[in-house]
Amino acid sequence: QQQVRQSPQSLTVWEGETAILNCSYEDSTFDYFPWYWQFPRESPALLIAIRPVSNKKEDGRFTIFFNKREKKLSLHITDSQPGDSATYFCAANTGGLSGKLTFGEGTQVTVIS
Amino acid sequence: NSKVIQTPRYLVKGQGQKAKMRCIPEKGHPVVFWYQQNKNNEFKFLINFQNQEVLQQIDMTEKRFSAECPSNSPCSLEIQSSEAGDSALYLCASSLEGSAETLYFGSGTRLTVL
Repeated sequence: QQQVRQSPQSLTVWEGETAILNCSYEDSTFDYFPWYWQFPRESPALLIAIRPVSNKKEDGRFTIFFNKREKKLSLHITDSQPGDSATYFCAANTGGLSGKLTFGEGTQVTVIS
Repeated sequence: NSKVIQTPRYLVKGQGQKAKMRCIPEKGHPVVFWYQQNKNNEFKFLINFQNQEVLQQIDMTEKRFSAECPSNSPCSLEIQSSEAGDSALYLCASSLEGSAETLYFGSGTRLTVL
């Protein structure tokens, strides 16, 4: 059972456009939602994260919008750049001493100049 | 740049052989995780430790994998008898807090089982 789902599987945008990546989850006990990005042949790295107490988190060109009622969140990349081309993973965590991150399937983003 | 160090970067084994990989977590991070990332980019949690103690592990890890994080030595993950389906990128990550809120990943060990 996939606890965290992402869509679309892949996304191509032109340089300067806004890329929108979607994520939904099943477990209402999830209380922390980080997004990781992964470039080819590299390991994942934390990009931005949000907690359900907020419905928006912004960091430069990257913004998370969170809808707790619908158990959905999205990552918006404004003014997309070729260097943003990567696979983006939505993840969720329940916290606690033995907490572990549950990852979505990823969205591969390609930014064309 | 990640300060989690994983070795080797690449590992090639035949079916039935043992495969062992190591991880040095970031200094001061007491919690270590192992994930398997397959060719479809799917992450599978394998096991996590706090200091030397296992916090959680999945069934597969209990049966065919062995892992440890001894004090003053690298953590390790070993597959006792490799299978073709074990071919994947094995990622070690460390965290400052037990709740895994921010994972710092190593560069991974890419295992190929022939």
